[in-house]
Amino acid sequence: DAGITQSPRYKITETGRQVTLMCHQTWSHSYMFWYRQDLGHGLRLIYYSAAADITDKGEVPDGYVVSRSKTENFPLTLESATRSQTSVYFCASSIVISYNEQFFGPGTRLTVL
Amino acid sequence: GQQVMQIPQYQHVQEGEDFTTYCNSSTTLSNIQWYKQRPGGHPVFLIQLVKSGEVKKQKRLTFQFGEAKKNSSLHITATQTTDVGTYFCSNTDKLIFGTGTRLQVFP
Repeated sequence: DAGITQSPRYKITETGRQVTLMCHQTWSHSYMFWYRQDLGHGLRLIYYSAAADITDKGEVPDGYVVSRSKTENFPLTLESATRSQTSVYFCASSIVISYNEQFFGPGTRLTVL
Repeated sequence: GQQVMQIPQYQHVQEGEDFTTYCNSSTTLSNIQWYKQRPGGHPVFLIQLVKSGEVKKQKRLTFQFGEAKKNSSLHITATQTTDVGTYFCSNTDKLIFGTGTRLQVFP
């Protein structure tokens, strides 16, 4: 039972580089989410997806790009990484969006130098 | 935009003491969910409250949804070291999480 996985778990990159964080779920959940977690801010939604080829912005989408060509995958790309994007990134999934728990991946710790 | 505030931000307690965290919204919420995140881990769903005034219990944890559906609380009776972590409230309609309360328990 793999559930929801994220890769890489740790990443160090430099300012200006493109970085892609991967998220894969085995439950066939319709909804997938990307959050970033920073001290003092809790979890903030970056993007979410209701199904393949359907994505929508969350609270903090600037500087990020997502795609969802397959139900099970939801990659997050930082097109030109900045230091302010240093954070822990969590991917999550749920069956439906309302009144349903979210299942979180283990997270990716990203450092932008 | 809609915000969900949690207080306190941090709480240090002696093992055996009680602990409460509060979640407050400026607007009425359709539901409240609570998650726990252990240090170095990921958020894990604990419970969901939907009805006005609803109270649910899970062993030593008591969850309450306010009558006006604008606030919620999580109370832990007789804390244990296994309760250490950050507790978040969340609303699924707006996909927002509270800022979290970090609980430290000293043996």
